[in-house]
Amino acid sequence: QVQLVESGGGVVQPGRSLRLSCAASRFTFSNHAMYWVRQAPGKGLEWVAVLSPDGINKYYSDSVKGRFSISRDNPKNTVFLQLNSLRAEDTAVYFCARGLVRSVYYGMDVWGQGTPVTVSS
Amino acid sequence: QSVLTQPPSASGTPGQRVTISCSGSRVNIGSNTVNWYQQFPGTAPKLLIDSSDQRPSGVPDRFSGSKSGTSASLAISGLQAEDEADYYCAAWDDSRNGWEFGGGTKLTVL
Repeated sequence: QVQLVESGGGVVQPGRSLRLSCAASRFTFSNHAMYWVRQAPGKGLEWVAVLSPDGINKYYSDSVKGRFSISRDNPKNTVFLQLNSLRAEDTAVYFCARGLVRSVYYGMDVWGQGTPVTVSS
Repeated sequence: QSVLTQPPSASGTPGQRVTISCSGSRVNIGSNTVNWYQQFPGTAPKLLIDSSDQRPSGVPDRFSGSKSGTSASLAISGLQAEDEADYYCAAWDDSRNGWEFGGGTKLTVL
């Protein structure tokens, strides 16, 4: 069974940084786009970023562009999300998700359990 | 304000058929496929429908999706108590160059 396990969340002060990791297993990681999606407390889902299988094509939501960075290590089956200049409104559970296919245009199928990020002084 | 518009709530009685709509525009639903996700409180979302009308393996055939023009719909037939959850539509937006989720619809089984 496909598995995605996020880690790296926690409580951080505004303006600081955090790096989230998502370890993938039981599928050919290098064949899939990878996504990060977040959900603020009591709110809906918000797409954050997506990365192509080769790590070249990256897209970000306007709310995180210039502050967050997505990357991947295919030999280690891991995708990362670097969160810089964090703001209170970045507080959310961050989900990692596998792309349905190689293309970034078809969305996500399998999701991890999420890792919580709280930005507070 | 979400680019994709869903009703905030929907309801039905057991056995009924319920439809949840997702309204977009030419640059998202009008040009790309739509996915639907089901989410129970405190858990990760689950893919219900991909490519607008395709049901992944393991999803009951009570769930179906359709798309017409700039709108999409999720239909649940033979409603069951266990279907009470939040439902989200999602599509790629060509103008924003990114993914958009609908605001979500909370389904209540009366």
